[in-house]
Amino acid sequence: EVQLVESGGGLVQPGRSLRLSCAASGFTFADYAMHWVRQAPGKGLEWVSGISWNGGSIGYAVSVKGRFTISRNNAKNSLYLQMNNLRAEDAAFYYCAKDRYFDLNRGPNDHWGRGTLVTVSS
Amino acid sequence: DIQMTQSPSSLSASVGDRVTITCQARQDINNNLNWYQQKPGKAPKLLIYDASNLETGVPSRFSGSGSGTDFTFTISSLQPEDIATYYCQQFDNFVVTFGQGTRLEIK
Repeated sequence: EVQLVESGGGLVQPGRSLRLSCAASGFTFADYAMHWVRQAPGKGLEWVSGISWNGGSIGYAVSVKGRFTISRNNAKNSLYLQMNNLRAEDAAFYYCAKDRYFDLNRGPNDHWGRGTLVTVSS
Repeated sequence: DIQMTQSPSSLSASVGDRVTITCQARQDINNNLNWYQQKPGKAPKLLIYDASNLETGVPSRFSGSGSGTDFTFTISSLQPEDIATYYCQQFDNFVVTFGQGTRLEIK
């Protein structure tokens, strides 16, 4: 059974940093692209970033480009999101999502984690 | 980035009704369009991929159609458990975009 478990969320002050992690199991992690998708409370889904199977292709939403960095460690079956210079508008549930394919250009996201909540407030 | 225009933003229908949601892309995305269902407090669930393919285990009352810029998602006979928010999603050139979502309620 595919499992994706996010961690690392919490309360952080504006301008500070936070690193999210996603532990994957139940599939060959190294074979698939992975994504981060966020959802502010009561709002819609917003794609944040994606990374291909080997990290060779990476994409970011305009809203986070230059502040967030996605990475993966295939040996540890883990996905990461380094979030720097956090803003109030970054507050959301952050979901880790598995891609059906190895690259970034097709999707879909066929499995999702339960999410981790990031709150940005002074 | 390719913008996706999803409509309506909310919809009220009766059990047994046929429900249709549309999603329009600003430019041709071939059939790179997926549909998700999200229930309150839960992660999204994939229903339709590549515009018209039903995900394994998803009831056949759900369907999708379209290609290019115009896409349609249909529930042929609305059931009480279908109450949720539905999103379209497109992948293009290493960037992913979701539609604004359609909140579906029972009349």
